[in-house]
Amino acid sequence: KAGVTQTPRYLIKTRGQQVTLSCSPISGHRSVSWYQQTPGQGLQFLFEYFSETQRNKGNFPGRFSGRQFSNSRSEMNVSTLELGDSALYLCASSPEGQKETQYFGPGTRLLVL
Amino acid sequence: QQQVKQSPQSLIVQKGGISIINCAYENTAFDYFPWYQQFPGKGPALLIAIRPDVSEKKEGRFTISFNKSAKQFSLHIMDSQPGDSATYFCAASSTGNKLTFGGGTRVLVKP
Repeated sequence: KAGVTQTPRYLIKTRGQQVTLSCSPISGHRSVSWYQQTPGQGLQFLFEYFSETQRNKGNFPGRFSGRQFSNSRSEMNVSTLELGDSALYLCASSPEGQKETQYFGPGTRLLVL
Repeated sequence: QQQVKQSPQSLIVQKGGISIINCAYENTAFDYFPWYQQFPGKGPALLIAIRPDVSEKKEGRFTISFNKSAKQFSLHIMDSQPGDSATYFCAASSTGNKLTFGGGTRVLVKP
């Protein structure tokens, strides 16, 4: 099976812009989670989607949003970008249940100037 | 609030040696504890995971030790190899697939 794919892999934006990142989970996986990774804050959970519904949410401002489509593909959106949003955004998928192995994609590296 | 504290931040070990990474958690609702390995430019990959009803789990050269009363767990990498040089993250989960990660340990195995 193909792994988790994320597009784009690299992105440069300026402050105030918005950005949409895409994640295609492993075929058959219905849960998609998003994480932000930075040198200062480490890996932080953004949100999880399961069957097109947000199942869990982390402590990020409302500028961070996401959605999941019927084919389990997911997108996350960040509006009004700030310099501090520069990070590696990781998507992870898992089959169906909870607390199962999560398979991470390679991430999208976002740089906000 | 850092709910999972990981130490050390970095570790240098000789080939064939043992790498030990420790994590401590605060939330007693955590009931799933995975360890992830991350190489530069890659996403984290699951190494091994444990649930609190087990005190130790071994998979190949990797062993998790779990102490529920102390709210601590650790990863031991036996016979460390240069290919094990990576960043290791402990994590914990109490609900859904939401993982709370430790700060990470950069391991360098010298040949």
